[in-house]
Amino acid sequence: AQSVTQLGSHVSVSEGALVLLRCNYSSSVPPYLFWYVQYPNQGLQLLLKYTTGATLVKGINGFEAEFKKSETSFHLTKPSAHMSDAAEYFCAVSVFSGGYNKLIFGAGTRLAVHP
Amino acid sequence: KAGVTQTPRYLIKTRGQQVTLSCSPISGHRSVSWYQQTPGQGLQFLFEYFSETQRNKGNFPGRFSGRQFSNSRSEMNVSTLELGDSALYLCASSLAGQGMIDEQYFGPGTRLTVT
Repeated sequence: AQSVTQLGSHVSVSEGALVLLRCNYSSSVPPYLFWYVQYPNQGLQLLLKYTTGATLVKGINGFEAEFKKSETSFHLTKPSAHMSDAAEYFCAVSVFSGGYNKLIFGAGTRLAVHP
Repeated sequence: KAGVTQTPRYLIKTRGQQVTLSCSPISGHRSVSWYQQTPGQGLQFLFEYFSETQRNKGNFPGRFSGRQFSNSRSEMNVSTLELGDSALYLCASSLAGQGMIDEQYFGPGTRLTVT
């Protein structure tokens, strides 16, 4: 069964430092992978997605992620953290079930950015 | 385009009551999915509707039900509310035809508190 594991429920970085949020997936078929961000009291916003093709995917707000099949990983990075990046981040894999697709989410990683 | 809207944003109910939540998808989107988000269980898939038909269902009891109207608006209903139903209920819409993997666009959620 497909699943998603996010390593680290809380990550804290300094403003200007590298952001690295880890995501590993389990899938018996080539996966479609997503990163979403959730700000307080809001819904989820798509940051980026990997379907096929280029393994380095660029998203909004300076984030990018690299699909590594050999490591079954899809880690999210940003070279320089900004205070506005503080939020909860969810990795998700699209699962083919009953002829249609649905998203399976990881448990989330809460990112704190301090001055 | 207007985003996904959910009403009401906040709701307080008593155990044993029932509740109906509403979701209006992005114009042109025919797929609506519902998720329950709690601190303990994270984001869990409830069900998905496409063209007024439920085509995917998560592992929730029969007290949770939904429907979709011809204009793609969707409602979910929870009967005989329990304390554990307190959660943020998120609705997401997508184009998602059969066999397609398409990003989902989330609404701000309805925060349900059961007392």
